[in-house]
Amino acid sequence: QKEVEQNSGPLSVPEGAIASLNCTYSDRGSQSFFWYRQYSGKSPELIMSIYSNGDKEDGRFTAQLNKASQYVSLLIRDSQPSDSATYLCAANQAGTALIFGKGTTLSVSS
Amino acid sequence: EAQVTQNPRYLITVTGKKLTVTCSQNMNHEYMSWYRQDPGLGLRQIYYSMNVEVTDKGDVPEGYKVSRKEKRNFPLILESPSPNQTSLYFCASSFSGGNQPQHFGDGTRLSIL
Repeated sequence: QKEVEQNSGPLSVPEGAIASLNCTYSDRGSQSFFWYRQYSGKSPELIMSIYSNGDKEDGRFTAQLNKASQYVSLLIRDSQPSDSATYLCAANQAGTALIFGKGTTLSVSS
Repeated sequence: EAQVTQNPRYLITVTGKKLTVTCSQNMNHEYMSWYRQDPGLGLRQIYYSMNVEVTDKGDVPEGYKVSRKEKRNFPLILESPSPNQTSLYFCASSFSGGNQPQHFGDGTRLSIL
């Protein structure tokens, strides 16, 4: 069974700090990785996609991928209270399915 | 506006009464998928469709049916709902395949009594 693992949290950071969210995946064949943000009772919202090793930056968000270690991370710089949500990591499987982790809850205190 | 539309958004029904949750996308996406989300279990894929008339099982297909007769529509059918199918359901679509970012509908909260 292919899996995506995340720490459930909660991860608590003060406003303005860097939040670091981590994810590991079991399927070495996975090629595409995604981070989604989900507010309580709402649908997942795509934040970042990453397909190759290294860093990808978009505004305050940086995704990092290390395929050798089967590890994906998301850094949120200058965290804001509005960033408080559950963050879902996902990895594709065989190009057809998308496997989600159970999510990490982030709480940013003002 | 590009979107995935699910209906109904909320439904309370009884065991055994057939129901259909509709899903429609206006982005000409080939790939569509259904997920259920339960506390502590995360998002789990029920069924997906790579294109018209092509569907396949995800991780938790038992008790569900789907069809893909048109590119834009992908209804989820519960022919004999049971209480363990009480959940939050999401439909999603992508341009092609699970290796593309998926766009989610607003969700359907089903309660089976």
